[in-house]
Amino acid sequence: AQSVAQPEDQVNVAEGNPLTVKCTYSVSGNPYLFWYVQYPNRGLQFLLKYITGDNLVKGSYGFEAEFNKSQTSFHLKKPSALVSDSALYFCASNNQGGKLIFGQGTELSVKP
Amino acid sequence: GAVVSQHPSWVICKSGTSVKIECRSLDFQATTMFWYRQFPKQSLMLMATSNEGSKATYEQGVEKDKFLINHASLTLSTLTVTSAHPEDSSFYICSARPGKMNTEAFFGQGTRLTVV
Repeated sequence: AQSVAQPEDQVNVAEGNPLTVKCTYSVSGNPYLFWYVQYPNRGLQFLLKYITGDNLVKGSYGFEAEFNKSQTSFHLKKPSALVSDSALYFCASNNQGGKLIFGQGTELSVKP
Repeated sequence: GAVVSQHPSWVICKSGTSVKIECRSLDFQATTMFWYRQFPKQSLMLMATSNEGSKATYEQGVEKDKFLINHASLTLSTLTVTSAHPEDSSFYICSARPGKMNTEAFFGQGTRLTVV
């Protein structure tokens, strides 16, 4: 069965430091992978996606993600974290029926 | 990006009453919309897939008679929580995808339902 895993419930980073939010996937065929961010009591905002092509994908707000087929990973990264990046982050993949399969979510906390 | 609007943002209702939540795609047509439920600091649980002009497809364990979904037009899907109970209190989110499967989905801002 298709699945997406985010192994860390929480990631703590100091402002200005690089951040990584981890995601691994298990899908059949070519994966369509997405990252979304959720602020409190709000819906999800799209950050970036990998469909095909370059393994390094750049997205909104300075975020990027690297698709690694051998490690079945799609980690979200940002070179320099901001306090305003603190939020809940979800990795997701489309299944063959077009439904989004979400990871458990990772709460990112960026401290000044 | 595309815009999905959800209304209301929050609602408080009494036990036994019904509540309707609307999800609209403002700048694209959506033959399919998705309804999710989310508990605090947890992931989104897909409840059902709303199909324009036909019956919704419910995920296993979701009561279709309790969570009524209507997708009467290409831009509007509604979720009605019938005979609400306190355990139905949750954050409900809808989403729609303007293109094919390899395009991103866009989400409504969510509805916080509190049943008292």
